[in-house]
Amino acid sequence: DAGVTQSPTHLIKTRGQHVTLRCSPISGHKSVSWYQQVLGQGPQFIFQYYEKEERGRGNFPDRFSARQFPNYSSELNVNALLLGDSALYLCASSLYTGELFFGEGSRLTVL
Amino acid sequence: AQKITQTQPGMFVQEKEAVTLDCTYDTSDPSYGLFWYKQPSSGEMIFLIYQGSYDQQNATEGRYSLNFQKARKSANLVISASQLGDSAMYFCAMRSNFGNEKLTFGTGTRLTIIP
Repeated sequence: DAGVTQSPTHLIKTRGQHVTLRCSPISGHKSVSWYQQVLGQGPQFIFQYYEKEERGRGNFPDRFSARQFPNYSSELNVNALLLGDSALYLCASSLYTGELFFGEGSRLTVL
Repeated sequence: AQKITQTQPGMFVQEKEAVTLDCTYDTSDPSYGLFWYKQPSSGEMIFLIYQGSYDQQNATEGRYSLNFQKARKSANLVISASQLGDSAMYFCAMRSNFGNEKLTFGTGTRLTIIP
């Protein structure tokens, strides 16, 4: 069975640009969460979506947005990129309030 | 607000020895869950073990056990008979049983197993 898949795995952007990261959850999982992990730190919660509705939002600026599609896949969008947005972005899926299964992440570098 | 504290940035352990990774937490929620994840260099967070705040017994999963001391607000991970493949970052995390699925993570401990 396929696990959580994320794309792209690596990408490089310049300041001010926009980025879209994609996540496909495990089949049957309706909840998707996004985390940002800056080098040397633990992951920080950004968003949770369940059944296409936002169920939680972390302490991130409005430049960060996300959505979930009818097939439960999800996109994370970041506008007006800053150097500090360089991080590993992790997606996790679950059956809701169950164990979270993480993907391998999208590593974003902002120059 | 929830907070996880991991005070060991790095640890070196001889292969086949047991190792304890420390984790303390703070929360005002009456019901919560505690998790340990392993993160190899690939980046994926791998679930290891879970402890519910009302569980009477400490959780165990193979070579992993969780030493849960609720009064001290600690949830230490014990790895028995360490293996070279255990070398990775280890994160302690918690989640309230009310509301959404937000996990609050600590800063992690880098474990290196020495042959």
